[in-house]
Amino acid sequence: EVQLVESGGRLVQPGRSLRLSCAASGFTFDDHAMHWVRQAPGKGLEWVSGISWNSDRMRYADSVKGRFTISRDNAKNYVYLQMNSLRPEDTAVYFCAKGGPPILTGYFDYWGQGALVTVSS
Amino acid sequence: QSVLTQPPSVSGAPGQRVTISCTGTSSNIGEGYDVHWYQQLPGRAPTLLISRNSNRPSGVPDRFSGSKSGTSASLAITGLQAEDEADYYCQSYDSSLSGSVFGPGTKVTVL
Repeated sequence: EVQLVESGGRLVQPGRSLRLSCAASGFTFDDHAMHWVRQAPGKGLEWVSGISWNSDRMRYADSVKGRFTISRDNAKNYVYLQMNSLRPEDTAVYFCAKGGPPILTGYFDYWGQGALVTVSS
Repeated sequence: QSVLTQPPSVSGAPGQRVTISCTGTSSNIGEGYDVHWYQQLPGRAPTLLISRNSNRPSGVPDRFSGSKSGTSASLAITGLQAEDEADYYCQSYDSSLSGSVFGPGTKVTVL
């Protein structure tokens, strides 16, 4: 059974940093791209970032480019999202999502339950 | 403002057929990138409903179907049921943005 479990979400002040983690199990981790998708309260889904199976390619939404960094550890089956210079508009539930294919242009076939990040003073 | 557009809401009586459109541009759907659909029940994480324009993952009822043509795609729900009340999102890849994009979502209401 595929499982994705996010952790690290909490209340943080504007301008500070936070790292989200996603523990993956139930599939061959290094066969798939991994992504982060967020959803602000009462709003729709926004793709944030994706990383290829071997970390040779990372992609970011314009709204987070230069502030967020995605990474993965294939030995531990983890994907991370380092979030710097956080803004109130980054407040959202952050979902870890498994890419169906190994490429970054595909779909997301499994999702975690999400981690809430609140940016507020 | 999403690069993919969807109607904010659609509704139908139980048993009816409803469709949700997803309109893109020449840098995403029109460039040949696949369209995928997700269902999000209230308070839940999204789940994959249709992949690669028209493929249903295992466990998805055949009441759900997808199609794509040109710069648009559609999701159809036939035999609408109360449990289908949810938000539905289309997703594709945009070459100009070098990233995935979602539509704004469509709320389906069963009357």
